[in-house]
Amino acid sequence: ETGVTQTPRHLVMGMTNKKSLKCEQHLGHNAMYWYKQSAKKPLELMFVYNFKEQTENNSVPSRFSPECPNSSHLFLHLHTLQPEDSALYLCASSQVSVGDNEKLFFGSGTQLSVL
Amino acid sequence: KQEVTQIPAALSVPEGENLVLNCSFTDSAIYNLQWFRQDPGKGLTSLLLIQSSQREQTSGRLNASLDKSSGRSTLYIAASQPGDSATYLCAVPNQTGANNLFFGTGTRLTVIP
Repeated sequence: ETGVTQTPRHLVMGMTNKKSLKCEQHLGHNAMYWYKQSAKKPLELMFVYNFKEQTENNSVPSRFSPECPNSSHLFLHLHTLQPEDSALYLCASSQVSVGDNEKLFFGSGTQLSVL
Repeated sequence: KQEVTQIPAALSVPEGENLVLNCSFTDSAIYNLQWFRQDPGKGLTSLLLIQSSQREQTSGRLNASLDKSSGRSTLYIAASQPGDSATYLCAVPNQTGANNLFFGTGTRLTVIP
């Protein structure tokens, strides 16, 4: 176990559904991330939170809405998704401070299928 | 924009062989470079992180090297085992933060018993 837990592991949803992905880290880190992994494409950074503040939104469509209520929890709210949004969604955390270059710890991911 | 390329896309080797995976990046102004392992349907596990001031890092049978000037890194795996079968990805940070990473598409390694 990496110390980063994602739920659910698998999710099937219709295009009109609303669902949420959850991520929890038990490592005391101060930064959390959402990445998207589509087949045969590099991992894409979606959102970054440092100290609960969103510091990066990598041009992600508004149908994806992140929420970071505290430094241990991260959510990704999904609404009106498209079939091309089907992918593995990965959460990660790290300890970031000035001058540090710490490793990323990933969860096991949520495999999302949009019908 | 940083681009990361990994060659080959897939590699099969017999057990016990030594092997090298390659990673190249277009912008040499990087903080560090990380190598990850991903098993099918799973998340990523960080294997090695090389700081920009370092030339290599070692962990067990793994050795990663970094040549910033040429925009290249290699991951050397000694005495490969079937348990090493996985996809190996390299990643470098973008300009906005040390851990906002650009990933390659990975090399899928199969070690044949």
